[in-house]
Amino acid sequence: NAGVTQTPKFRVLKTGQSMTLLCAQDMNHEYMYWYRQDPGMGLRLIHYSVGEGTTAKGEVPDGYNVSRLKKQNFLLGLESAAPSQTSVYFCASSQGLAGGSSYEQYFGPGTRLTVT
Amino acid sequence: ILNVEQSPQSLHVQEGDSTNFTCSFPSSNFYALHWYRWETAKSPEALFVMTLNGDEKKKGRISATLNTKEGYSYLYIKGSQPEDSATYLCAFMFSGGYNKLIFGAGTRLAVHP
Repeated sequence: NAGVTQTPKFRVLKTGQSMTLLCAQDMNHEYMYWYRQDPGMGLRLIHYSVGEGTTAKGEVPDGYNVSRLKKQNFLLGLESAAPSQTSVYFCASSQGLAGGSSYEQYFGPGTRLTVT
Repeated sequence: ILNVEQSPQSLHVQEGDSTNFTCSFPSSNFYALHWYRWETAKSPEALFVMTLNGDEKKKGRISATLNTKEGYSYLYIKGSQPEDSATYLCAFMFSGGYNKLIFGAGTRLAVHP
């Protein structure tokens, strides 16, 4: 059981370049989330998904897009990277709310992105 | 705007000391309160999920209490050990929020031998 995995672990982009971060989970979780973590701040939610084919905006969605074409994968895209998007990105997953969910989120190892 | 505050921001203690941190959260639309432990270079791991006012949870030397009416939770560590050094995050889950969490900025604990 790999849990939640993220690809890549590190990336350096130039301003204006695009990239996609991949998150995969093997726990059959319904809900998946993308966060960013910046110094002195808590984890902030970018986008989330409550099931295959669904996505919704979180607290800081601007400049990012997401897709959930398969239940186990959640992709985060940056169409035109900006230095303000330099951050550590974490993916997480959790069971849905229906019947006996423990609600806790399981986190991936993070992707450190630098935009120059 | 939902806001979660944690204090202190950082804490240095000696091995064997007991310590506690505070998490303040909105007292309305409460669904659950999470505590996560986040070691450097690793990903956050859940310690406790508490849902009921008056809940107390314990895992080894770490315990947590919850007061939903006044909007606070305490995390206690008894007899701190160097391996307890980590950032402790609390997160508020609100009703109707699809398990979304609002995180505090964390308390960074350093336990010195």
